Amino acid sequence: AQRVTQPEKLLSVFKGAPVELKCNYSYSGSPELFWYVQYSRQRLQLLLRHISRESIKGFTADLNKGETSFHLKKPFAQEEDSAMYYCALSVRETSGSRLTFGEGTQLTVNP
Amino acid sequence: GAVVSQHPSWVICKSGTSVKIECRSLDFQATTMFWYRQFPKQSLMLMATSNEGSKATYEQGVEKDKFLINHASLTLSTLTVTSAHPEDSSFYICSAPWWNTQYFGPGTRLTVL
Repeated sequence: AQRVTQPEKLLSVFKGAPVELKCNYSYSGSPELFWYVQYSRQRLQLLLRHISRESIKGFTADLNKGETSFHLKKPFAQEEDSAMYYCALSVRETSGSRLTFGEGTQLTVNP
Repeated sequence: GAVVSQHPSWVICKSGTSVKIECRSLDFQATTMFWYRQFPKQSLMLMATSNEGSKATYEQGVEKDKFLINHASLTLSTLTVTSAHPEDSSFYICSAPWWNTQYFGPGTRLTVL
């Protein structure tokens, strides 16, 4: 069965500092990985996906199949980045695709 | 972009009553929708996959008779919590896929007294 692990429940950095949110996964097939973000009192929204290899709001994430990781990085954190971040793995099944979420990391960027 | 709505956003009910939560895709059609449950400061746990025109697929450990799912149309899925008890109090979130991306509803806070 697939599994997503985010080892840090809480992460606190100062504004302007680099930030890395860790995500490791276990899945025997070819993974599709995502990062979702949930700002305070807002719905969950897609931040980025590994397939598109894009940078959103300064965040990037690289899929490392050897280390089964998909860490989220930003070189200079901003206060508005404070939110809950979830790493998620999409698995295609006969019934369709479904997401498995990690436990989430609460990022706080201090002024 | 694709928008998913949920109604109600917040509901309080007495123990033993049933509560229906609606999930709608506002500007796209979804043959599949997903229902999640989220406890405070915890991750989203997939409860079931709602399939338009057929039975829902439940995750292991989720009681089918407790959490009734009906996908009545291509834009509407409903989750009914039957004979609710305080332990059913939680945040229920739905999502629908559009162009390989899951779009999430704002969630429904259920409190069972």
